[in-house]
Amino acid sequence: AQSVTQPDIHITVSEGASLELRCNYSYGATPYLFWYVQSPGQGLQLLLKYFSGDTLVQGIKGFEAEFKRSQSSFNLRKPSVHWSDAAEYFCAVASMDSNYQLIWGAGTKLIIKP
Amino acid sequence: DGGITQSPKYLFRKEGQNVTLSCEQNLNHDAMYWYRQDPGQGLRLIYYSQIVNDFQKGDIAEGYSVSREKKESFPLTVTSAQKNPTAFYLCASSIGEGARYEQYFGPGTRLTVT
Repeated sequence: AQSVTQPDIHITVSEGASLELRCNYSYGATPYLFWYVQSPGQGLQLLLKYFSGDTLVQGIKGFEAEFKRSQSSFNLRKPSVHWSDAAEYFCAVASMDSNYQLIWGAGTKLIIKP
Repeated sequence: DGGITQSPKYLFRKEGQNVTLSCEQNLNHDAMYWYRQDPGQGLRLIYYSQIVNDFQKGDIAEGYSVSREKKESFPLTVTSAQKNPTAFYLCASSIGEGARYEQYFGPGTRLTVT
């Protein structure tokens, strides 16, 4: 079955440290890949997306993600986190296998230590 | 300011009662979506609508109903047939089918049924 896996339920990072959130997917067809962020009590916001081309994509708020086809991964990174980055992050995938509907990971909650 | 409003933020109902969740957008978007979010799970699509007076079932439509009589409004009714209605419900919209992945989300409604 098609699935999106975010292996880390919670991640704690010190302010100013680097961040990597993992996302793996299982799809046969070439996927479209997305990261969304949900701040407490708010709706989700699109951070970045990958459709094709350069496998390193830049998003808003200083985030980037790299598509690695061989590893079926689309990990989210930020070189230096800020306290305002504390939120829940969702990876989502769409492909021909899902009839191009978004399939969502379970989310990773990012906690920032002062 | 343009955006999506969902009301109320918290909703409590007795088992066996139907309840309608409101979703309004002033973004002039053609497409609208309803998702259900449960702890430890990704978002799951309930219904979506690409244009007025048309909507399609998502992955978990059983026990839910929607209408799309106006472009800006997409209310969701949780019926008594929904076996486990307690959840966080998110409404989203996108410019249209061609940009369905760039979704804008409302703040959500937390429904508790006892």
